Amino acid sequence: QKEVEQDPGPLSVPEGAIVSLNCTYSNSAFQYFMWYRQYSRKGPELLMYTYSSGNKEDGRFTAQVDKSSKYISLFIRDSQPSDSATYLCAMSLLGGAGKLIFGQGTTLQVKP
Amino acid sequence: SQTIHQWPATLVQPVGSPLSLECTVEGTSNPNLYWYRQAAGRGLQLLFYSVGIGQISSEVPQNLSASRPQDRQFILSSKKLLLSDSGFYLCAWSGIPNTGELFFGEGSRLTVL
Repeated sequence: QKEVEQDPGPLSVPEGAIVSLNCTYSNSAFQYFMWYRQYSRKGPELLMYTYSSGNKEDGRFTAQVDKSSKYISLFIRDSQPSDSATYLCAMSLLGGAGKLIFGQGTTLQVKP
Repeated sequence: SQTIHQWPATLVQPVGSPLSLECTVEGTSNPNLYWYRQAAGRGLQLLFYSVGIGQISSEVPQNLSASRPQDRQFILSSKKLLLSDSGFYLCAWSGIPNTGELFFGEGSRLTVL
């Protein structure tokens, strides 16, 4: 079993839809949870960052962490064609020296 | 503001040839530096990380090596490339204290033929 599981998709939605992206993990010691967005042939960019459980909102993006279920989610409201990218979840331990464990990434296409 | 640069952006090399990928960070001091590899259709795999000049930790046994000759310079090398070394190599940095946030470069795409 992989430490972090993420459905690779692809996921195709119409413009304006609400998108839900999810990851599950097995290591209950993970404390930091991140979502990265990666456009084709580019390096990943940090999109959302959450410490421990709870919700975090930034514009059209909402990140949720449920440590009891070992489940994290990213919601995108009013999705736009510019949101078309691969979304990678990542997590790390407290004091983990930046050693992130990544999911496989979910490819999202938002059609105009 | 901080920036991170990687080069070359694209590289095609024959099996058995050497490799050198370079990464430099600007606008910060004493960063933690990382090399990740992303194979086609797979997530990112941590290869090396460094907390200071000359300090390298290897996460995956392989024919690659890393060096940090200066505070903001990180180099990935190989003496003899294998077909399986093909992939997208990403350099990243994080600040102090380390909260797990990484900032990635644009990547170097390596094809070994």
